[in-house]
This record gives sequence, C-alpha cells and structure tokens, in this order.
Amino acid sequence: GAGVSQTPSNKVTEKGKYVELRCDPISGHTALYWYRQSLGQGPEFLIYFQGTGAADDSGLPNDRFFAVRPEGSVSTLKIQRTERGDSAVYLCASSLQGAPGETQYFGPGTRLLVL
Amino acid sequence: AQSVSQHNHHVILSEAASLELGCNYSYGGTVNLFWYVQYPGQHLQLLLKYFSGDPLVKGIKGFEAEFIKSKFSFNLRKPSVQWSDTAEYFCAVNAMNTGFQKLVFGTGTRLLVSP
Repeated sequence: GAGVSQTPSNKVTEKGKYVELRCDPISGHTALYWYRQSLGQGPEFLIYFQGTGAADDSGLPNDRFFAVRPEGSVSTLKIQRTERGDSAVYLCASSLQGAPGETQYFGPGTRLLVL
Repeated sequence: AQSVSQHNHHVILSEAASLELGCNYSYGGTVNLFWYVQYPGQHLQLLLKYFSGDPLVKGIKGFEAEFIKSKFSFNLRKPSVQWSDTAEYFCAVNAMNTGFQKLVFGTGTRLLVSP
C-alpha cells in the first residue's frame, strides 16, 4: 500500500482481556517498529523487527506484551491481561532496511482504551 | 539516563512570527537526529533529519534545523510561520549505542499559530 496502515483505529476493552493490534507496513520495507504514545508524551519504543525476527525487544514493558511478524510483512502486537495503564496510542512504523539514518514512516496508530 | 529534551511544551505565535523550538539530547557518540510533525488528525511525518555532512539541514515547508554537536542540540527554526504550521513537533534521536534503529523521542511541543 501507499503507507503504513494499522487496524483497528480504536479499541476499547476491559481490564484483564486480551487484545491484538495489527500493522501493515509499506510494501518492501524489511524493518518494522512498534511504539507506544501515552497522553502528553512522545512515542516510546517497544520493539523492532528485521524481517521475521525481533532484533530488539528491549522496550516491551513486561511479558504481557508480545509481537510477531511471521512472514516478514504484517505484524501483530499482542497484549495479554490488559491493565488500565496500557491505555495509549500504539504506533507502528516501517523503514526500508533499518539502516542508520533511515526515515521511519509512521502509521495512524491504534488508540487503545482499557476500562 | 540517555534522553531527549524539548524545552517548550506549548508555543503560541502569530502568523509571520519567527519560530525556534529547542531540542537537546544526552547521547554520546554518533547520532542521527530527526524532527517529526503531527498535524491535527494526521499521523507523524518526517519534517527533516540530520544523518551526516552539513549540520544545517533544510526540510519541507521552509523548516530548517542546525546540529550543534558541542551543545548536543538540534533546534528547529522557521523564519515566518503560517497558520497551517499549527501542529505538534517532536524531536527524535537514534544513536550508535542503541543500535541506530530505536528512535528516542522528546515529549513534543504543541505549536499554535493564530491568524
């Protein structure tokens, strides 16, 4: 597609439930990133994929968060046992190769609200 | 801790006023520097970036930024703002010692330009 797409655009769930957030990167981009943006803050890095593998998952806050990219294209961020503190906008970005200085292209985000 | 600081959280200007938004980072070594912009209702998009070479970088819509290594700064400037520049501006850094893939963002500056 023309840009990075994310679904759903909004997700409301109850505390303790499981959610999946999807990211479809720009076609041909091998590098994919997930960030989380809380109210009044800048985006915060969660995880970086190079192809199918998670090359850096140092930003995942705890083991309730997990992400996959099984075919090196679409990625899914999975959150188990959601907590109210997980409420945020989850952003996905992609870049061509993950090389230094490369521009990361961001999607519109998924706004997650945990009640 | 390594971080990115944006000094102004909110800026209000009249059209045709000059703009300078501050950004400082605390990383040592080689860095890449970015300014992203988020217009109301839109996703994050790249305004400009410094990768190497001339420390004065020119971006889209008349924006420029100067990398001053001795001051660990990458301030954003525009000589004459327009109403359409109303947006949130984020400074971001990636660094050799974080693998160059992870972007670390400042907290953002909300700019309101009154007509």
